[in-house]
Amino acid sequence: EIVLTQSPGTLSLSPGERATLSCRASQSVSSTYLAWYQHKPGQAPRLLIFGASSRATGIPDRFSGSGSGTDFTLTISRLEPEDFAVYYCQQYGSSFTFGPGTKVDIK
Amino acid sequence: QVQLVQSGAEVRKPGASVKVSCKASGYTFTSYVITWVRQAPGQGLEWMGWISVYNGDTNYAQNLQGRVTMTTDTSTSTAYMELRSLISDDTAVYYCARDRGYSGYDRWGQGTLVTVSS
Repeated sequence: EIVLTQSPGTLSLSPGERATLSCRASQSVSSTYLAWYQHKPGQAPRLLIFGASSRATGIPDRFSGSGSGTDFTLTISRLEPEDFAVYYCQQYGSSFTFGPGTKVDIK
Repeated sequence: QVQLVQSGAEVRKPGASVKVSCKASGYTFTSYVITWVRQAPGQGLEWMGWISVYNGDTNYAQNLQGRVTMTTDTSTSTAYMELRSLISDDTAVYYCARDRGYSGYDRWGQGTLVTVSS
């Protein structure tokens, strides 16, 4: 089973700052089957990025994904107040696993 | 618009079963897979499995094999997830999601809280 590790566990930033979230896989993720989800308390998760770098429908362009193999990154170019949430990466190329999440909170 | 509406919160005793429903609307139900994901209190997201609405094929997480069954009723566009022999660790919010394969889980239900307590 592919294990995903996300870092940092918590990222404390101010609105307007840039956020860089890392997701590392224990084995290569086939065909960049890597997605990112945003999750806020009391809400359903929201798909942000699929295929490592493709933005889902309706996702603002301040969200971008990159990476391949075992190292992936989600970047939020300028944090808006509504972006403070937990972010999960998920690989779906070999079985299906989520990372433990990175919490982005307000500094 | 695409919607997935789940059934309400449930409370069960250890050893009992629970069946959560997920009613889809706004798209052709048989054209997509339904995936189930859960989140225990204070924990991250856990993939539980998926069901192909088209042909009924299923794929369950290894740690739930033998306790979980996913089904669909195409006449009502509803997916179901049944979990048996409940233990306290099954206390979680359960989500259904429309699975677009490579394109990810693009629509989610609102979540159903299942509490297992004696």
